[in-house]
Amino acid sequence: DSGVTQTPKHLITATGQRVTLRCSPRSGDLSVYWYQQSLDQGLQFLIQYYNGEERAKGNILERFSAQQFPDLHSELNLSSLELGDSALYFCASSVDAGPYGYTFGSGTRLTVV
Amino acid sequence: GDSVTQMEGPVTLSEEAFLTINCTYTATGYPSLFWYVQYPGEGLQLLLKATKADDKGSNKGFEATYRKETTSFHLEKGSVQVSDSAVYFCALIDNYGQNFVFGPGTRLSVLP
Repeated sequence: DSGVTQTPKHLITATGQRVTLRCSPRSGDLSVYWYQQSLDQGLQFLIQYYNGEERAKGNILERFSAQQFPDLHSELNLSSLELGDSALYFCASSVDAGPYGYTFGSGTRLTVV
Repeated sequence: GDSVTQMEGPVTLSEEAFLTINCTYTATGYPSLFWYVQYPGEGLQLLLKATKADDKGSNKGFEATYRKETTSFHLEKGSVQVSDSAVYFCALIDNYGQNFVFGPGTRLSVLP
C-alpha cells in the first residue's frame, strides 16, 4: 500500500456520460498530480494541485476538470466521455513540488463503451 | 522543453541475465532523475533516484548512475528474475520541481 488511495478501481460507462475519480494523497503530502496512461500515448501529465490551488496544467482536455479540497483529497471530473478517454488514470502525491519524486496510487481503469 | 528518451521495448531476457535499459535526457539546469517500475495491474512505484551528477541510485539489485556529461541514467541489474517483469519508466524533475517528465516506458519480460 503506497498510501495514495484512488477510487473506484474500475469504472465502465457509456459515451457522453460524466464520471468523477477520487484521490486521497499520502498523509502529509500537499501536492496531488493526475496522469492519464493509455496504450498509445504512454503516461501523460494532466494537472497538479498544491494545497488546494492549481499549480500546473499539462495536456488536460477542456472536458476534464479537477479540484483539491481543504482536506487535500482531489477529484478529477471527466465529462462528455468519448471512447478515446478509456485509459488508466493515476493520482500521485508528494510533500511539495520539489525534486523528491512522487508516490503513485494504483489507478482507476476507465472503460468507455 | 525537458524530455526523456528510453530504449524501445519489449526487452526479453532469460532469468539471471544482465539487464541494461538505456535512458537519456534533455533538460536545462540540474534535474533529479528517477526510475519507476510498474508491475502488471499496479501503479508506478519509485525504484531509485539520483539528485546530482555522479550519484548512484540503487534498490532491489538495480542501479543507475547520474551521468551529466552524457546526460544519461541507464538502469542496470546483474541478474534478473522472473519477478522483475514489468514496465520501467525513466523520469526527471527540473530543479525548480515544476516539471516532472516521464519517458515512454520499457517493457521487460524475463523468462524462466
